Amino acid sequence: SQQGEEDPQALSIQEGENATMNCSYKTSINNLQWYRQNSGRGLVHLILIRSNEREKHSGRLRVTLDTSKKSSSLLITASRAADTASYFCATDAYDYKLSFGAGTTVTVRA
Amino acid sequence: NAGVMQNPRHLVRRRGQEARLRCSPMKGHSHVYWYRQLPEEGLKFMVYLQKENIIDESGMPKERFSAEFPKEGPSILRIQQVVRGDSAAYFCASSPIKGTGMNTEAFFGQGTRLTVV
Repeated sequence: SQQGEEDPQALSIQEGENATMNCSYKTSINNLQWYRQNSGRGLVHLILIRSNEREKHSGRLRVTLDTSKKSSSLLITASRAADTASYFCATDAYDYKLSFGAGTTVTVRA
Repeated sequence: NAGVMQNPRHLVRRRGQEARLRCSPMKGHSHVYWYRQLPEEGLKFMVYLQKENIIDESGMPKERFSAEFPKEGPSILRIQQVVRGDSAAYFCASSPIKGTGMNTEAFFGQGTRLTVV
């Protein structure tokens, strides 16, 4: 079964609004990473948060990690049309295998 | 420094043919990982290789699939006698050290989209 599970499956927002998506996982992790995938393209690494970190920022992205709840959230502020993509969380459980969720598809309407 | 290079980007094969997918890791990276993405799903780990060694192939189907990473040249994912269910996007990632256990991001290629007709 997949380690990471994103929620919601799909999200539609107006340009300029914020987008929040969540990821839950089952086992202890070393770190959690968020990736973006534009339709039919490869994965772009967005941010990595370590298990001993609670929050991390990168530009318009804010990631939180709650290891007690085994969950993470990705917030995209002031969304743009170019943010339209699928977003995946991937967990690293102290080995080399990244476990991906099924992703959240974000559509930003102009 | 070029990123992870995969080719071809798109590959169409008839049922029963062989598919060969190639991956050149980033310069200086000696660890390669293959993942498969079925439509509307996340990526699933297939195999982890170092130069001339298969470290973990626990995610590989037991039959028809094989992978190698020779001393020289790219890593190859080979699928023999393809079936329609093999249609998917296959991604390769590389890292300079073992896995992401050292908090290192994995760099992904653009993927090869295999269509079996």
